[in-house]
Amino acid sequence: AQSVAQPEDQVNVAEGNPLTVKCTYSVSGNPYLFWYVQYPNRGLQFLLKYITGDNLVKGSYGFEAEFNKSQTSFHLKKPSALVSDSALYFCAVLDSGTYKYIFGTGTRLKVLA
Amino acid sequence: SQTIHQWPATLVQPVGSPLSLECTVEGTSNPNLYWYRQAAGRGLQLLFYSVGIGQISSEVPQNLSASRPQDRQFILSSKKLLLSDSGFYLCAWSRSYEQYFGPGTRLTVT
Repeated sequence: AQSVAQPEDQVNVAEGNPLTVKCTYSVSGNPYLFWYVQYPNRGLQFLLKYITGDNLVKGSYGFEAEFNKSQTSFHLKKPSALVSDSALYFCAVLDSGTYKYIFGTGTRLKVLA
Repeated sequence: SQTIHQWPATLVQPVGSPLSLECTVEGTSNPNLYWYRQAAGRGLQLLFYSVGIGQISSEVPQNLSASRPQDRQFILSSKKLLLSDSGFYLCAWSRSYEQYFGPGTRLTVT
């Protein structure tokens, strides 16, 4: 069965510092991986995806993610955090056989001014 | 471009009352459609998904049901709400790989 894990409930980072939000996955077959962001009382917004190709994926708002097959990880990164990046971040994997998306439990990012 | 609508945005309903939440997608055809529930601002629970008209897959046995009367319309219903049905309900659509979410409905059952 497909699954993703987000080992950190919360990540705190100072504004201007680089940030990393961790995600590991377990899939059978090729992984289709995604990152979403959610602001309070809003729906999830798509940030980026890995389907195939380059291991470094660039997405919206300056975010990027690194796909690492040997470590089965897909960590979200940003070189310089903004206070406005504070939100809830979800990693997800697509089960291409059923069209179901399996989400991690979410990581709350707090960027401190 | 594609857009997804959900209504109402907020809803307060008494225990035992019926529920109907509606979701529509514009700008695409034959999307996969999903209903999720999010409790306490954390994880997403997949409730139902549909890959076509009349094709509904249920993920959790409970007092909710879903219907897809038209290609781009997805409805979440209940005949009698429970307190535990309170939460943030999110509709989403996908085609190809990416999934896009609606703005959500905040349901409070009192």
